[in-house]
Amino acid sequence: EPEVTQTPSHQVTQMGQEVILRCVPISNHLYFYWYRQILGQKVEFLVSFYNNEISEKSEIFDDQFSVERPDGSNFTLKIRSTKLEDSAMYFCASRGPVSSYEQYFGPGTRLTVT
Amino acid sequence: AQKVTQAQTEISVVEKEDVTLDCVYETRDTTYYLFWYKQPPSGELVFLIRRNSFDEQNEISGRYSWNFQKSTSSFNFTITASQVVDSAVYFCALSGTNTDKLIFGTGTRLQVFP
Repeated sequence: EPEVTQTPSHQVTQMGQEVILRCVPISNHLYFYWYRQILGQKVEFLVSFYNNEISEKSEIFDDQFSVERPDGSNFTLKIRSTKLEDSAMYFCASRGPVSSYEQYFGPGTRLTVT
Repeated sequence: AQKVTQAQTEISVVEKEDVTLDCVYETRDTTYYLFWYKQPPSGELVFLIRRNSFDEQNEISGRYSWNFQKSTSSFNFTITASQVVDSAVYFCALSGTNTDKLIFGTGTRLQVFP
């Protein structure tokens, strides 16, 4: 069964460093998302991406964040200068055609900023 | 504004008991979509079900059943004859007409003891 994959599973970085979180969505999916979950809290939307551009972003997704689909398979989230409060689990999700509303999530990348 | 409320923070049951997880939502959209996701201890988010606002039929899938009631803005989830493997955090989520971002509730942690 096709699934969303994410690398790395755990990333430790120092405050102020740049990180890139990588995702490979399900191959025939058209819509891509990033969410984050601070430990013990609810899952929060960051950004959605369709047709090579951002379709919606949340207040959390400020200028420090960017997304890219550099080729036909990868979808990346970059945080330019990490802060302690960026420590969280980051989930990538994808969904198929317009008529399909289910979002399928990857296993997540745990980002720890020290 | 859209909102999902899961008032039950944590529920503990003994194996074979039935358990119902409550979800109440708020939205001004006339067409919307409701979801349940399971987050086991390993951390991934597993899609369980989607329900469209125009389809109020209840659904059963094995030991799982869902009760959607527009009149009370609720989308409750029942596990019949619970098992230890059902232990997880369960999230209810909502998306609307003009946005496909998922708005998550705070989750209900279900612990099933043998």
